[in-house]
Amino acid sequence: DIVMTQSPLSLSVTPGEPASISCRSSQSLLHSNGYIYLNWFLQKPGQSPQLLIYSGSNRASGVPDRFSGSGSGTDFTLKISRVEAEDVGVYYCMQSLQTWGFGQGTKVEIK
Amino acid sequence: EVQLLESGGGLVQPGGSLGLSCAASGFTFGTYAMTWVRQAPGKGLEWVSAISGTGGTTHYADSVKGRFTIYRDNSKNTLFLQMNSLTAEDTAIYYCAIISAKRDFDYWGQGTLVTVSS
Repeated sequence: DIVMTQSPLSLSVTPGEPASISCRSSQSLLHSNGYIYLNWFLQKPGQSPQLLIYSGSNRASGVPDRFSGSGSGTDFTLKISRVEAEDVGVYYCMQSLQTWGFGQGTKVEIK
Repeated sequence: EVQLLESGGGLVQPGGSLGLSCAASGFTFGTYAMTWVRQAPGKGLEWVSAISGTGGTTHYADSVKGRFTIYRDNSKNTLFLQMNSLTAEDTAIYYCAIISAKRDFDYWGQGTLVTVSS
């Protein structure tokens, strides 16, 4: 099974400042077809998760461009260029190469 | 507009059974694989099960294999999860979601709470 490990597990950010979350997989998520099977989700308080990023770096429909994803192979990063109050919640990475599996989540709060 | 509405959650005793439903609308249901994801109280997301558009292929997490059964009725645009031999560790909000062609989960329902307790 592919194990997903996120860091940090919590993050306190000043509005307007950047934030970065790391996600590491126990094996490469780069398929031979060239696709990266790594996704990012945000679960805002009291809500269902919402897709932010697919294939490592592609923003889902309606996601603000302050969110960006990068990485390949086993190491991935989600960056928020300027954190806003509405960005609070728990961020999850998820691999979709072999069935599916989530990281532990990273809780982002505003200072 | 895509809508997924889960139902069937509730309180069940350990060792009992419960069936969940997910009513879908706003898209061509039978052409999409679907999945169930759960979240125990105060915990993270756990993938549970998935099913192909035709229903012919299913996958399960090890934690539920042999106890849970995923199936669908494409004529009724509904996804199901039959849960047997329930334990306290199955207590969670259960979400259904659409699996996109890129294998991500691009639409989620609001979830239904299952509580396993005596």
